[in-house]
Amino acid sequence: AQSVAQPEDQVNVAEGNPLTVKCTYSVSGNPYLFWYVQYPNRGLQFLLKYITGDNLVKGSYGFEAEFNKSQTSFHLKKPSALVSDSALYFCAVRVNTGRRALTFGSGTRLQVQP
Amino acid sequence: EPEVTQTPSHQVTQMGQEVILRCVPISNHLYFYWYRQILGQKVEFLVSFYNNEISEKSEIFDDQFSVERPDGSNFTLKIRSTKLEDSAMYFCASRTGGSTGELFFGEGSRLTVL
Repeated sequence: AQSVAQPEDQVNVAEGNPLTVKCTYSVSGNPYLFWYVQYPNRGLQFLLKYITGDNLVKGSYGFEAEFNKSQTSFHLKKPSALVSDSALYFCAVRVNTGRRALTFGSGTRLQVQP
Repeated sequence: EPEVTQTPSHQVTQMGQEVILRCVPISNHLYFYWYRQILGQKVEFLVSFYNNEISEKSEIFDDQFSVERPDGSNFTLKIRSTKLEDSAMYFCASRTGGSTGELFFGEGSRLTVL
């Protein structure tokens, strides 16, 4: 079975400060990892993914994430938060067998204060 | 930019009624999914569809649910006899072939069962 844990329900950060949204995963096999963002009353938008190769992946809107195999983590980061980054963030995992569906974490609400 | 479209955006129905939610995936995508989200909480996998058949389904996807791709463009989710607990936002998603592609989500259909 595959699972994702997002240990923080909410993360608060001041505008201009770096942000981190945590994610750990559990799969049997090599993981494919994803981050999605959801704004109020909207669908999920893809931010970035890790498939293989460089552990640091860069995505949309200045976000990046670091894959750490030994810690089974895939934390989302941004060097300087914007108020407009305030949203719900979901980490997701799939094993690399192609046909398995994505499993999502419970989500972390990011609140960036001006 | 191509997108996944869903209709209706909001449907209110009485308990026990049948509901059909419709989706038009991105045209060159091969994998199709339905997920649901209750009150902005966790995004839960329902079913995946590939090559005109269900490739995976969750324990939520019981006999009350069915999916169909009737005409090569639409992808529908039918709930045969709705229950109060079926009230949720239902998201359709699609992706290209291969194992590394990310999911593209529609804006969702909000189902309210009274």
